[in-house]
Amino acid sequence: KQEVTQIPAALSVPEGENLVLNCSFTDSAIYNLQWFRQDPGKGLTSLLLIQSSQREQTSGRLNASLDKSSGRSTLYIAASQPGDSATYLCAVIRLTGGGNKLTFGTGTQLKVEL
Amino acid sequence: GAGVSQTPSNKVTEKGKYVELRCDPISGHTALYWYRQSLGQGPEFLIYFQGTGAADDSGLPNDRFFAVRPEGSVSTLKIQRTERGDSAVYLCASSWGLAGAADTQYFGPGTRLTVL
Repeated sequence: KQEVTQIPAALSVPEGENLVLNCSFTDSAIYNLQWFRQDPGKGLTSLLLIQSSQREQTSGRLNASLDKSSGRSTLYIAASQPGDSATYLCAVIRLTGGGNKLTFGTGTQLKVEL
Repeated sequence: GAGVSQTPSNKVTEKGKYVELRCDPISGHTALYWYRQSLGQGPEFLIYFQGTGAADDSGLPNDRFFAVRPEGSVSTLKIQRTERGDSAVYLCASSWGLAGAADTQYFGPGTRLTVL
């Protein structure tokens, strides 16, 4: 059974700091990996999707990397802003047998302080 | 609207009652997913539809849970004889359902279910 772990569970940083969120998964037979943002009381917003054949994806101040062999992904946020405060979730899709369902980690709750 | 919508946004019910949660996917999306998110946890998969049929319902916790998508668009998640442990946010997502491609799922805002 695929297990996804995110470290740290919570993080508080001053504005402007660069930061890295970590995601690890136990089964490397994934189809793709996706990073989401969740604001309190809101649904999930997709940030970046990395296909299993890719190593990274970039969008603005966000960069996500994927190392399938080691079962790890990182989300790098440059020059953090208070508006980045949210919970960040990573999710993987199994390559076979699991349809297209996402298996999520428990998330990293990020607070960016002024 | 252009996004996935879910109704109601909040539902409070008593233990033992029946509830229905509705999801309106993005127009044209053939794939629809239901997830459940308990407090402090990531979402957990419940069921996946491709068109009108449930392609994977392996995440439904027991036979009190059932979902339908009769016309391949709107879906309803039905919970019978609700229990306090069913309290969670129920999320719906839809996607184009493209095989063999990066197929982003777009999530709705969720329905917060509270069973008293």
